[in-house]
Amino acid sequence: NAGVTQTPKFQVLKTGQSMTLQCAQDMNHNSMYWYRQDPGMGLRLIYYSASEGTTDKGEVPNGYNVSRLNKREFSLRLESAAPSQTSVYFCASSEGTSRETQYFGPGTRLLVL
Amino acid sequence: GENVEQHPSTLSVQEGDSAVIKCTYSDSASNYFPWYKQELGKRPQLIIDIRSNVGEKKDQRIAVTLNKTAKHFSLHITETQPEDSAVYFCAPRGSGGYNKLIFGAGTRLAVHP
Repeated sequence: NAGVTQTPKFQVLKTGQSMTLQCAQDMNHNSMYWYRQDPGMGLRLIYYSASEGTTDKGEVPNGYNVSRLNKREFSLRLESAAPSQTSVYFCASSEGTSRETQYFGPGTRLLVL
Repeated sequence: GENVEQHPSTLSVQEGDSAVIKCTYSDSASNYFPWYKQELGKRPQLIIDIRSNVGEKKDQRIAVTLNKTAKHFSLHITETQPEDSAVYFCAPRGSGGYNKLIFGAGTRLAVHP
């Protein structure tokens, strides 16, 4: 069991470029989440997917889009990257319903110049 | 939305001492209260959680206590060890959506040998 995996581990973008962060889980979890973590702050929820086929906005969705490709995969897209999106991005998954524990991936460190 | 505050923001203890971190939240409908540990450069991992129908829960050297009336819960670590050094986040689940955790800003704990 790999758990939650993320690619890439590290990425440098120029302002205005686009990219997609990939996330996959092999735990047969129903729910998946994207967070960003900035220095001195906790994790902030960008988008989540309660189940396959649904997505909803979190606290900080502006500038991002998501796709729940299937039960395993949940991607995060930056259409036009901005320096304010420099951050560490974590994907997480949970079984859903009454099983609240969220399991996190290793993170993607993104630098936007 | 939910407002979450953690205190202290940094905590330094000697090995073997106890450490207590307090988390205050604003949403009286919150019903799930986890604590996550994040070691330097690693992903957050759940270390203990409690639900609103329970006042205290213990797991070896760590415990969580909940005061729903006062809207705060605390993490207690006894007999601290150097490997307890990390950033700890509380993340009460808000009432506004499905399993949406609202993370505090974190407490950096340093345990000195």
